[in-house]
Amino acid sequence: DTGVSQNPRHKITKRGQNVTFRCDPISEHNRLYWYRQTLGQGPEFLTYFQNEAQLEKSRLLSDRFSAERPKGSFSTLEIQRTEQGDSAMYLCASLSGRVRETQYFGPGTRLLVL
Amino acid sequence: KQEVTQIPAALSVPEGENLVLNCSFTDSAIYNLQWFRQDPGKGLTSLLLIQSSQREQTSGRLNASLDKSSGRSTLYIAASQPGDSATYLCAVPSGSARQLTFGSGTQLTVLP
Repeated sequence: DTGVSQNPRHKITKRGQNVTFRCDPISEHNRLYWYRQTLGQGPEFLTYFQNEAQLEKSRLLSDRFSAERPKGSFSTLEIQRTEQGDSAMYLCASLSGRVRETQYFGPGTRLLVL
Repeated sequence: KQEVTQIPAALSVPEGENLVLNCSFTDSAIYNLQWFRQDPGKGLTSLLLIQSSQREQTSGRLNASLDKSSGRSTLYIAASQPGDSATYLCAVPSGSARQLTFGSGTQLTVLP
């Protein structure tokens, strides 16, 4: 399978715990995006990487959130001291360097904070 | 700031009916517009991408149109089937990172 993969697919945690999600993009794609989607809404942009550089962060990305993309390959999104409001689907998407191409989305990680 | 709106929020139709989903956006300076499908609890599947220079794009029973000047796009689904039941999202790239700005989606139910 050469699509975007995300792990884990589901995560249940208690408030105050830290969680980390992983995204493996399509191998030749140098652009990687993280989005968050809550029930009944469209995805909202969180952050963007071009290769290993994090070039854009949304105001939604509070200081409890951190993302990395070491060596421009897979990416991780960590949430520290989780809150119930962090419960959402976290989606990763990747894109080649060409302008005219669609973003390819992974299956998402569904987070539930109790 | 780009804003995307989708109407209706939900739609229920009998099998075989043709239907139109609507998407509007506030900033007409777009590179392209994309339509996605999302099944419950799943990720997004790209259906159609219309470049800013195009007026229409077709894939099978799906046809998407784009009118940049009026800030509107429509997704036309012909001869709907129960398997078409899903949430349909439109999105436009914006910002320096060309991140996608999404509408809230239209939840479609096709009744057998």
